[in-house]
Amino acid sequence: QLQVQESGPGLVKPSETLSLTCSVSGGSMSSSSHYWGWIRQTPGKGLEWFGSISYTGSTLYNPSLKRRVTMSVDTSRNQFSLKLSSVTATDSALYYCARHRFSSTILRLWWFDPWGQGTLVTVSS
Amino acid sequence: DIVMTQSPDSLAVSLGERATINCKSSQSVLYNSNNKNYLAWYQQKPGQPPKLLIYWASTRESGVPDRFSGSGSGTDFTLTISTLQAEDVAVYYCQQYYSTLLTFGGGTKVEIK
Repeated sequence: QLQVQESGPGLVKPSETLSLTCSVSGGSMSSSSHYWGWIRQTPGKGLEWFGSISYTGSTLYNPSLKRRVTMSVDTSRNQFSLKLSSVTATDSALYYCARHRFSSTILRLWWFDPWGQGTLVTVSS
Repeated sequence: DIVMTQSPDSLAVSLGERATINCKSSQSVLYNSNNKNYLAWYQQKPGQPPKLLIYWASTRESGVPDRFSGSGSGTDFTLTISTLQAEDVAVYYCQQYYSTLLTFGGGTKVEIK
């Protein structure tokens, strides 16, 4: 059964870059039916989708975050990564990675399944 | 952006009774070319990540108990738990995937009365 798991520092200083990695196990990332996504959860804004990346490196980003977000994929390690630049306290959140169902017919992203357990990131000096 | 609004924010239901959660989208998520509603439901238990329950508004994910059902079309959707079990205590979220900007509802917390 495919699983995903986030890793990365729990504390990041303001104005720096947050870097997280998601490791995929129990299956291959090389699927044309899936992308690999990042979502964060905060008490104030709820669930917010960052963006998703295919195993070939194609990306789809949330326009409101696009300016600060970079995603990459390393299929040899079965990992994908998120970088969020110029962080502020409002970027403090529980960050999830997830497999993202994709339609290669109509080139659209659909639902998330499964999700990782999440990693808590705090932005503070 | 398509704004997803859930109601109520929370509800308390007796064990064995029905729980009904509503989700309203700010514009239709019905794709006319295939007559599918681009809406999913998730369950998030305390301390756990969200888990996919339903997609296409009414298709249960494999392994999801049949007491969970989804209905609705266009802009108005409902998740129903027909007979609430103790393990169903959770926050439930809807998500639209009609737009390229994917958005979630604010969540509905289900508790035992």
